[in-house]
Amino acid sequence: EVQLLESGGGSVQPGGSLRLSCAASGFYFSNYAMAWVRQAPGKGLEWVSAISGGGGSTYYADSVKGRLTISRDNSQKTVYLQLNSLRAEDTALYYCARDAGYGDYYFGYWGQGTLVTVSS
Amino acid sequence: EIVLTQSPATLSLSPGERATLSCRASERIASYLAWYQQKPGQAPRLLIYEVSNRATGIPARFSGSGSGTDFTLAISSLEPEDFAIYYCQQRSNWPTFGQGTKLEIK
Repeated sequence: EVQLLESGGGSVQPGGSLRLSCAASGFYFSNYAMAWVRQAPGKGLEWVSAISGGGGSTYYADSVKGRLTISRDNSQKTVYLQLNSLRAEDTALYYCARDAGYGDYYFGYWGQGTLVTVSS
Repeated sequence: EIVLTQSPATLSLSPGERATLSCRASERIASYLAWYQQKPGQAPRLLIYEVSNRATGIPARFSGSGSGTDFTLAISSLEPEDFAIYYCQQRSNWPTFGQGTKLEIK
């Protein structure tokens, strides 16, 4: 069974940093690209970043480019999202997601999310 | 960025009725469209991919159609568990989601 477990969220002041983690199990981790999708409170879904299975290719939404860094450790079956220079608008539930096997970016597996709150 | 616009924002129907949700893309996205269902406090669930293909375990009452820029999710006969928020998503370019349609009980 595919499982994704996020951690690392919390409350931080504007300009601060956090590192989110997503521990994966139940599948051959290095075979799959991984993504982060966020959801601001009461709002819709926003894809923010993705990383290829080997980690050599990374992708970012324009809204976070230069401030967020995605990485992965295949030996630990974990994907990370480093959030820097945080702004109030980064407040959201951050989901780790994997494609369903029907093609890239059809997100069939999701974690439960980790909440990031940016506030002074 | 490809913008997806969903309508209506809210749809009020009764169990047993048919629901039709729309999603319009700002440019042609071929067949790269999916639909998700999200219930309060839960992660989204993939329902439909490539416009009309049901994901594993999705009931046959859910169907998708459309092409080019206009797409539709239909639920043939609403069950109580179908009342939720529905999002469309494209992957023609970097993934983007629509703003959602809330399907509520009338």
